[in-house]
Amino acid sequence: QVQLVESGGGVVQPGRSLRVSCAASGFIFSNHGMHWVRQAPGMGLEWVTSISYNAKDKYYKDSVKGRFTVSRDNSKNTLYLQMNSLRPEDTAFYYCAKDAGYGGTSADHWGQGTLVSVSS
Amino acid sequence: DIQMTQSPSSLSASVGDRVTITCRASQGISNYLAWFQQKPGKAPKSLIYAASSLQSGVPSKFSGSGSGTDFTLTISSLQPEDSATYYCQQYNTYPLTFGGGTKVEIK
Repeated sequence: QVQLVESGGGVVQPGRSLRVSCAASGFIFSNHGMHWVRQAPGMGLEWVTSISYNAKDKYYKDSVKGRFTVSRDNSKNTLYLQMNSLRPEDTAFYYCAKDAGYGGTSADHWGQGTLVSVSS
Repeated sequence: DIQMTQSPSSLSASVGDRVTITCRASQGISNYLAWFQQKPGKAPKSLIYAASSLQSGVPSKFSGSGSGTDFTLTISSLQPEDSATYYCQQYNTYPLTFGGGTKVEIK
């Protein structure tokens, strides 16, 4: 069955960097686009970034452009989110989600999330 | 950006009730609309894609309809396990955008 397991979250000071990962199994990772969606505590869902199956297409929410970078290693079945210049407003649970297709369709499976807390 | 507006923001209904949640897009999105369910402390779960297609394993008491700008999610017979927050999301255009959520409670 599809499994998505995020890791790498933690407490980080404003302005610092953090990389979170999402290990995928149970499907052909290289055939599917992937998404990162975040949720601040007590708030709604917010899309952050998407990457196509072959990493040629990447899209970002305006507020993270230039600070966050999505990437993937299809040989390791792993999705990454490199977050630089972190701000307190980036504090959230970060979920990875599998696209139903090569990219540009809806998410059909979600990970359990990893918490990123930006605080001094 | 396409704004997604859900209504109501919360509702309380009895077991067995038929519940309908509305999602409106600020511009036409064809049928590129998904619905997700999230229970407290849990990750979201995908329910519906392409406005009306059920994800594998989702019970048929959930149904979706609509096209263009107006969409609905219906739970035909509300059960205690359906207590959750429901979100719509458009995937017609980047940036992808979610509705604000509808919290469904059981009376």
